Amino acid sequence: NAGVTQTPKFQVLKTGQSMTLQCAQDMNHNSMYWYRQDPGMGLRLIYYSASEGTTDKGEVPNGYNVSRLNKREFSLRLESAAPSQTSVYFCASSPGVQGTDTQYFGPGTRLTVL
Amino acid sequence: GENVEQHPSTLSVQEGDSAVIKCTYSDSASNYFPWYKQELGKRPQLIIDIRSNVGEKKDQRIAVTLNKTAKHFSLHITETQPEDSAVYFCAASRSGGYQKVTFGIGTKLQVIP
Repeated sequence: NAGVTQTPKFQVLKTGQSMTLQCAQDMNHNSMYWYRQDPGMGLRLIYYSASEGTTDKGEVPNGYNVSRLNKREFSLRLESAAPSQTSVYFCASSPGVQGTDTQYFGPGTRLTVL
Repeated sequence: GENVEQHPSTLSVQEGDSAVIKCTYSDSASNYFPWYKQELGKRPQLIIDIRSNVGEKKDQRIAVTLNKTAKHFSLHITETQPEDSAVYFCAASRSGGYQKVTFGIGTKLQVIP
């Protein structure tokens, strides 16, 4: 049981390049999330998916798109990377659909945009 | 939407002392309050949570208290140990349809041996 996995672990992009961060969970959870973590800013929600087939914006969605490919996988895409998107990105999942239960986080992706 | 404020942002204690981290929230309908611990370079992990139908919950050396009237909740760590050194995040959410979890900015706790 791997829990929540993310790829890649590290990535360096140039401004304007695109990339997709991958996330998968093997716990049969309904909800999945993408957060970014910046110093002094805590964890800020980018997008979430309360169930397969649905996605919705969080606190900081600009510059990102997501796809809930199936119940297991939730990807985050940066279409045209900017230095302001330099951050650590965490994917998470939780069993329910209401957001009032434990979130299980992946190991994170450290992204640098030059 | 919900706003969660957390303080202090940094906290240093001597090993064996107690540590207290406080959070306030704005949405009176919030009813779920988890605490996550993030060790350096690692992922956040839930350490304890409390729901609005109880005022206090304990798990060994950690406890959380909730004051719904004042809209604040606190994490208490007793007999601190060096392995308690980490960043701690509080959070709040509410049930009823889908409600996202709002996190505080985190408290960096350093336990000095």
